[in-house]
Amino acid sequence: EDQVTQSPEALRLQEGESSSLNCSYTVSGLRGLFWYRQDPGKGPEFLFTLYSAGEEKEKERLKATLTKKESFLHITAPKPEDSATYLCAVQATSFQKLVFGTGTRLLVSP
Amino acid sequence: NAGVTQTPKFQVLKTGQSMTLQCAQDMNHEYMSWYRQDPGMGLRLIHYSVGAGITDQGEVPNGYNVSRSTTEDFPLRLLSAAPSQTSVYFCASSYAGPGQGSPLHFGNGTRLTVT
Repeated sequence: EDQVTQSPEALRLQEGESSSLNCSYTVSGLRGLFWYRQDPGKGPEFLFTLYSAGEEKEKERLKATLTKKESFLHITAPKPEDSATYLCAVQATSFQKLVFGTGTRLLVSP
Repeated sequence: NAGVTQTPKFQVLKTGQSMTLQCAQDMNHEYMSWYRQDPGMGLRLIHYSVGAGITDQGEVPNGYNVSRSTTEDFPLRLLSAAPSQTSVYFCASSYAGPGQGSPLHFGNGTRLTVT
């Protein structure tokens, strides 16, 4: 069965304190791995798609990387506006659906 | 460009009542889907559609109906509401569907409480 596990569940950082979020997955053939950001009371907002091991994508203070078993979302020198829940989802080759993790709640304090 | 619009934002139902959650997108996306989000669980797919006139079940379809008569609209019907359907519901669309690596664009959700 396809599974996605995100860690930690919650993370509190000081402004400027870099860290990484983890997304471990088991799927029967990876078509793509997606990262989303979700603010309270809003729908998830697309950040990145990664397709193959070794791939990296960057956007402002965020950098996503992918291996054969996990993905990391690195946050460099975060700001309070980076506070949100970050969701990871994988697309297996076998079905038209994404399998989502439960997310990591990030709080960045000034 | 409005993106994906969901109505209503909030709804309270009594057990046994029926209602329709509305979803519309203005991006000419072929793929549309409904998810529910519950505390401690990832988003779970209810139903999806790969184009007008075509719908299929996701992983948690029981108690819900969908139809897709136009490209723009994809309503979700609750046939007889139950407390287990208390959740936040998200509609999402994409150009070609996640099976083709196409990212989903989400609406801002409908928060449903069934008493």
